[in-house]
Amino acid sequence: AQSVSQHNHHVILSEAASLELGCNYSYGGTVNLFWYVQYPGQHLQLLLKYFSGDPLVKGIKGFEAEFIKSKFSFNLRKPSVQWSDTAEYFCAVNLGNTGKLIFGQGTTLQVKP
Amino acid sequence: EPEVTQTPSHQVTQMGQEVILRCVPISNHLYFYWYRQILGQKVEFLVSFYNNEISEKSEIFDDQFSVERPDGSNFTLKIRSTKLEDSAMYFCASSSQGYSGNTIYFGEGSWLTVV
Repeated sequence: AQSVSQHNHHVILSEAASLELGCNYSYGGTVNLFWYVQYPGQHLQLLLKYFSGDPLVKGIKGFEAEFIKSKFSFNLRKPSVQWSDTAEYFCAVNLGNTGKLIFGQGTTLQVKP
Repeated sequence: EPEVTQTPSHQVTQMGQEVILRCVPISNHLYFYWYRQILGQKVEFLVSFYNNEISEKSEIFDDQFSVERPDGSNFTLKIRSTKLEDSAMYFCASSSQGYSGNTIYFGEGSWLTVV
């Protein structure tokens, strides 16, 4: 069955540190990839998405992600995190001709001021 | 930015009771979804809905669950006889298209606690 794995469950960083959150998926066909963020008490918001083309995609708030097809990965990065980036981050995939999303288990990011 | 809104934000219910969770999708969207997240677990797809019928559902979405679009704006999830294991955050979502890759917009979620 298709699945999405996020390697880090809980990440603690100091402000200005660089961030990389891992995401791997298991599916051999064409995928579309997403990163969502959920700030405390708020709804899931789209950070960025990859459909096709340049595998390095840039999203909101200085986030970017790189799709590496050979590694089935879509890691999220930010060069310098801020306290306001404290949130839960979800990687998600959808497959084929469907709107259904398959989520990873989420990574809680805590940024210390 | 248009938002998906959900009510209630939190509901506590007795086991065996019926619960209806309500959602107002973004107004020009045509595809609607329910997802849930049990505490500490992944966000899981429950059901997608288009043109007044279910287009896809997961194995979680058994006969206890139903969805409805009773009017032009609301989209509801009904759980007929709640079980303890139904305790979760339920997210409503909508999108303008149903094909893969289209952005899905989520509501803030409804916490359901079954006691």
